Amino acid sequence: AQSVAQPEDQVNVAEGNPLTVKCTYSVSGNPYLFWYVQYPNRGLQFLLKYITGDNLVKGSYGFEAEFNKSQTSFHLKKPSALVSDSALYFCAVRDNNFNKFYFGSGTKLNVKP
Amino acid sequence: ETGVTQSPTHLIKTRGQQVTLRCSSQSGHNTVSWYQQALGQGPQFIFQYYREEENGRGNFPPRFSGLQFPNYSSELNVNALELDDSALYLCASSTNRGGNTIYFGEGSWLTVV
Repeated sequence: AQSVAQPEDQVNVAEGNPLTVKCTYSVSGNPYLFWYVQYPNRGLQFLLKYITGDNLVKGSYGFEAEFNKSQTSFHLKKPSALVSDSALYFCAVRDNNFNKFYFGSGTKLNVKP
Repeated sequence: ETGVTQSPTHLIKTRGQQVTLRCSSQSGHNTVSWYQQALGQGPQFIFQYYREEENGRGNFPPRFSGLQFPNYSSELNVNALELDDSALYLCASSTNRGGNTIYFGEGSWLTVV
């Protein structure tokens, strides 16, 4: 069965500092991995995905994620955090057979001025 | 903006009642999936519709049902509402190609009292 884990409920970082939001996965077959962001009282917005190819994936708003097969991780990163990046971040893995996505429990990112 | 629209945005129902939530998919997308997001949790897959048929279901009871129409819009129906059904219901649309991304609407907030 597919699953993802987000080990941190909350990440605090100062504006301008680099940020990392962690995600590990468990899949059978090739992993299709995604990151979404959710602002308060809103739906989920797609940030980036890894399907195949380069292990470093670049996405929206300056975010990137590094796929590490040996560590079964897909951590979300940004070189310089903004206060406006404060939101809830979800890692997800797609089922190989159809569009069922398994989401992690989410990590709340707080960026302080 | 993802082009996925949901209605209503908020509603309050009484335990035992029935509710219908609606979703219009993004142009060019033929697949619609529904997710339930309880407070403080990640989205949970309810089911998916492709070509007007359900082709995948999560761990939800039969009182959760749906429809997809020829224009690919969709409805989620929940009968015999329970207090635990209170959640944000998210619709997501996509194509049916492998590795594709799902794009979410803003959701419908359901409160059962």
